[in-house]
Amino acid sequence: AQSVSQHNHHVILSEAASLELGCNYSYGGTVNLFWYVQYPGQHLQLLLKYFSGDPLVKGIKGFEAEFIKSKFSFNLRKPSVQWSDTAEYFCAVNRRAAGNKLTFGGGTRVLVKP
Amino acid sequence: EAGVAQSPRYKIIEKRQSVAFWCNPISGHATLYWYQQILGQGPKLLIQFQNNGVVDDSQLPKDRFSAERLKGVDSTLKIQPAKLEDSAVYLCASSVGTENTEAFFGQGTRLTVV
Repeated sequence: AQSVSQHNHHVILSEAASLELGCNYSYGGTVNLFWYVQYPGQHLQLLLKYFSGDPLVKGIKGFEAEFIKSKFSFNLRKPSVQWSDTAEYFCAVNRRAAGNKLTFGGGTRVLVKP
Repeated sequence: EAGVAQSPRYKIIEKRQSVAFWCNPISGHATLYWYQQILGQGPKLLIQFQNNGVVDDSQLPKDRFSAERLKGVDSTLKIQPAKLEDSAVYLCASSVGTENTEAFFGQGTRLTVV
């Protein structure tokens, strides 16, 4: 069975600091990769996704992620965070041609101090 | 575009009672998912429907959980009887299809079993 691991459970940083959240998955086949964000009191929203093509993916709100196939990784980055980026971030994977079922990591809570 | 609607938002029941959750997906979305998110963990897929047929229910505890999507639109997830470990947020999601598509999530129903 595939699994997704996120390296940090909690991250605290100040505004304007850079953010990088790690995500690794275990599955040897072809995958689609996603980062979802959940702001306080809101539903899960898609930040960005990778299906194929350029492994550097740009999403909403200045976020980007890089797919490194050899490392089974899909790390999320933002050069300069804002207080409004305080949220929980989830990495998710699905196997290509296996019905779109998402396997999620455990999530990383990010707190940005003003 | 209206999002995925879920009700109720919160539910508190005693163990061994029954409970039902309702989901209305985005119009035109053929695929509907129910996920369970236990506190501190990422969402875990319970069941996936394509129109009114079940695609995957391998993770659904069928001795107590049931779900239906009779007309291929709305769906209901039921737990009977509930256990303390069923306390979680139950998320409904929908997508256009079953391959290489984004899933849109509702706000979830937070269930507390006491």
